[in-house]
This record gives sequence, C-alpha cells and structure tokens, in this order.
Amino acid sequence: GESVGLHLPTLSVQEGDNSIINCAYSNSASDYFIWYKQESGKGPQFIIDIRSNMDKRQGQRVTVLLNKTVKHLSLQIAATQPGDSAVYFCAENAFGNEKLTFGTGTRLTIIP
Amino acid sequence: DTAVSQTPKYLVTQMGNDKSIKCEQNLGHDTMYWYKQDSKKFLKIMFSYNNKELIINETVPNRFSPKSPDKAHLNLHINSLELGDSAVYFCASSPPGLASYNEQFFGPGTRLTVL
Repeated sequence: GESVGLHLPTLSVQEGDNSIINCAYSNSASDYFIWYKQESGKGPQFIIDIRSNMDKRQGQRVTVLLNKTVKHLSLQIAATQPGDSAVYFCAENAFGNEKLTFGTGTRLTIIP
Repeated sequence: DTAVSQTPKYLVTQMGNDKSIKCEQNLGHDTMYWYKQDSKKFLKIMFSYNNKELIINETVPNRFSPKSPDKAHLNLHINSLELGDSAVYFCASSPPGLASYNEQFFGPGTRLTVL
C-alpha cells in the first residue's frame, strides 16, 4: 500500500543549530503535504504546508522542501530553541482522497 | 477560547466496558475527525464527518461508533472495550472547502487505558 515514512525516528540538535527532518512518501499522486508538531501531552499542531506545484515554502524559522522526483519532503528549522523539542509528523494527500496519511514521526530533542 | 476540546482527558476502564469520548469544536468547521495514536505515536484516521454526514470510515471494528448530533460535535462511543483499544484518541476539525486540503486542528487528546 501507499505509505508515508521518515528516515530518522530520533534527532538531537544543539540549541541554536539548524535541524532537518526528512520524510519519504511513496504515492506519486500525492499533491499536498503538511508538517505537524506534537508536543508531549498535546495534539498535533499545524506548522506549514506545501502543494506539489511548489518545491519550497518558508514560514517563521521553518522551511519545507519538496522533491517530487524522489518523493522526498523535508522540514528545516532554523536557530532551534528548547520549545522546538517535539515529535514532528509529515502528512500527505492526493486529490480525490478525503483523508491525510500521516508518517511515523520523528522525535526532535533540542540540547541546551 | 476557540478550539477543539475533548472530554475526558484521561479514561481508565476495565475490559468489556462501554465508554464514550466527547468532542466539540467552536471554530465553525464543517468537517470533524477521530484519530487513534498508538504507543509508537503512529496516527491513523478512524472516522470523518462532514456536516453530520459520515464520509470516512476506515477499517475500524464496529464496536466503535461515532455520532455527530450537530456539526460542532463528534462523539465516539466504544462498546466492549478490549486491551488493544488502549491508545490516545484525537479529535480534529477542518474548515469548509476540500477537507483533505485544509489544515486540521487537533484537540488535546483522550488517553484511554483498558485494564
């Protein structure tokens, strides 16, 4: 079946450094992608999304890159802060589907 | 506060019992969802309702029955609870439009523990 997965289940980054979280997807028809952040004891929170007609989108301290050729998505967080420690999920959807498919998640830990 | 709220936050119960989890959103959204998150943090959709109409019903045992009395509420009733039902259940909602292309707003979750 189709799936969305992550290369690294855990990632530790020194505070102030940049972090990159990767995500691979297998559905070539996927055309909408979202990154969510889930802090301990809370529900997932939207960070940024991107459609397949773009290859880069920037937000505040975050950048999402989409490489449709290799079906790869990444989330870059600049100048990481302790509050960035969380589990990050990518999710994808293809036109005509009614649901998002979530990846397995990466736990990001910011080391003070 | 505008948000997606769930009650209860924690639910501990015995196998075989029947329990309900309630969800309410005051964001004016048309679509609501239930997700199950297992111990490995994997998030899987269970159900989706749009304006009180069921639009997604994943392969979920029929012991799980969602009920949407109005578009602001989506409750989840679980009959004959089993150990494998232990998980965190999240309610979410999304704005009008093509639901799957919109940001979903998640509730705080209900941690269900079946003993």
